[in-house]
Amino acid sequence: GAGVSQSPSNKVTEKGKDVELRCDPISGHTALYWYRQSLGQGLEFLIYFQGNSAPDKSGLPSDRFSAERTGGSVSTLTIQRTQQEDSAVYLCASSYRRGGGREQYFGPGTRLTVT
Amino acid sequence: AQSVTQPDIHITVSEGASLELRCNYSYGATPYLFWYVQSPGQGLQLLLKYFSGDTLVQGIKGFEAEFKRSQSSFNLRKPSVHWSDAAEYFCAVGLNTGGFKTIFGAGTRLFVKA
Repeated sequence: GAGVSQSPSNKVTEKGKDVELRCDPISGHTALYWYRQSLGQGLEFLIYFQGNSAPDKSGLPSDRFSAERTGGSVSTLTIQRTQQEDSAVYLCASSYRRGGGREQYFGPGTRLTVT
Repeated sequence: AQSVTQPDIHITVSEGASLELRCNYSYGATPYLFWYVQSPGQGLQLLLKYFSGDTLVQGIKGFEAEFKRSQSSFNLRKPSVHWSDAAEYFCAVGLNTGGFKTIFGAGTRLFVKA
């Protein structure tokens, strides 16, 4: 079966432009997560969607960042007025509550470069 | 606040030698515990997980980890490292707080020398 997919795989944008990053989770997975991984760093939690509940936005670094999840499936992370410090790999993951499971399945990431 | 600490930024071991990667967490209850691996150019992949039962868990690729409640630790081990194990390893804690949030450690990069 298909895994988590993300698009684009690479994005180069100029400072000040807006970007949209897309995530297609595994079909049937109820939870979706966005993380940011800067060069040589760990994973920084950004936002978490679980079913129809209000998303946990506690990790978004500024109000330039927003995300939505339509129909409980596809998610889009939007960064407005990009800054150079936004350059990173943005990872999406999905999971499904199955007993004690809850492990996350990660997509390949979108590498964002802000020039 | 909840946190995950991986005290070793990088570790170098010889091929065939044993490996232990350390992970400590700070959380009031027993969390879900995970180890993920990120190989060069690859996505993150689950190695193993613990949420209850036997505190020694087996994972893929010959890895195991032991949950020690008294030490708030979940160290990853492998008896004999292969060159293909060179990667970044992340310990993670899953928190069941109404939703399910996962906090990742900063990672330990493993280098394997011939």
